[in-house]
Amino acid sequence: DQQVKQNSPSLSVQEGRISILNCDYTNSMFDYFLWYKKYPAEGPTFLISISSIKDKNEDGRFTVFLNKSAKHLSLHIVPSQPGDSAVYFCAASSSNTGNQFYFGTGTSLTVIP
Amino acid sequence: EPEVTQTPSHQVTQMGQEVILRCVPISNHLYFYWYRQILGQKVEFLVSFYNNEISEKSEIFDDQFSVERPDGSNFTLKIRSTKLEDSAMYFCASSKSPGFDEQFFGPGTRLTVL
Repeated sequence: DQQVKQNSPSLSVQEGRISILNCDYTNSMFDYFLWYKKYPAEGPTFLISISSIKDKNEDGRFTVFLNKSAKHLSLHIVPSQPGDSAVYFCAASSSNTGNQFYFGTGTSLTVIP
Repeated sequence: EPEVTQTPSHQVTQMGQEVILRCVPISNHLYFYWYRQILGQKVEFLVSFYNNEISEKSEIFDDQFSVERPDGSNFTLKIRSTKLEDSAMYFCASSKSPGFDEQFFGPGTRLTVL
């Protein structure tokens, strides 16, 4: 039961270029979405979130876009830096499920210097 | 900066043995969670805990699992009789408030069941 899907297991981008990480979901009840970044041997760390009342949220180099009709969200990192190399997870939640988040399988981003 | 800590970082156990995974959440947080990630798969929610009781649990969290906050600082996950398929990375998380607040994750405990 994969309610949240990240179809690209890996992505390589040149330093300074844009990284676009994609996430699709199937449950139309999801109304809050987060992106987490995970380095090896560490737990996921919160990066950016968006609620379903918005279609865009920006924080520095990171922007998340939400397309509710397509049940799709994306994370844009621009410009990409080598320190951004990590696994990125998207997660989704519904007001009906309280604290329970559903995670995607992650996309491993490598930013090449 | 306050952080969630977990011990041990790696636990190896024999099938059928009980294991206890320990977590120290951030001190002013009130909501606590366990997740697991089987190697190569997605992070899966196990359970959330508030006010000394389970508030939500997933279908993975069956009778073999239990959680406890024994002393006001630690938050533990017990697996009574481990199975091979329990081998995974277990993440603890905590947050100040429920629902849409960011959860802070610990570094995880890798459980290997032989």
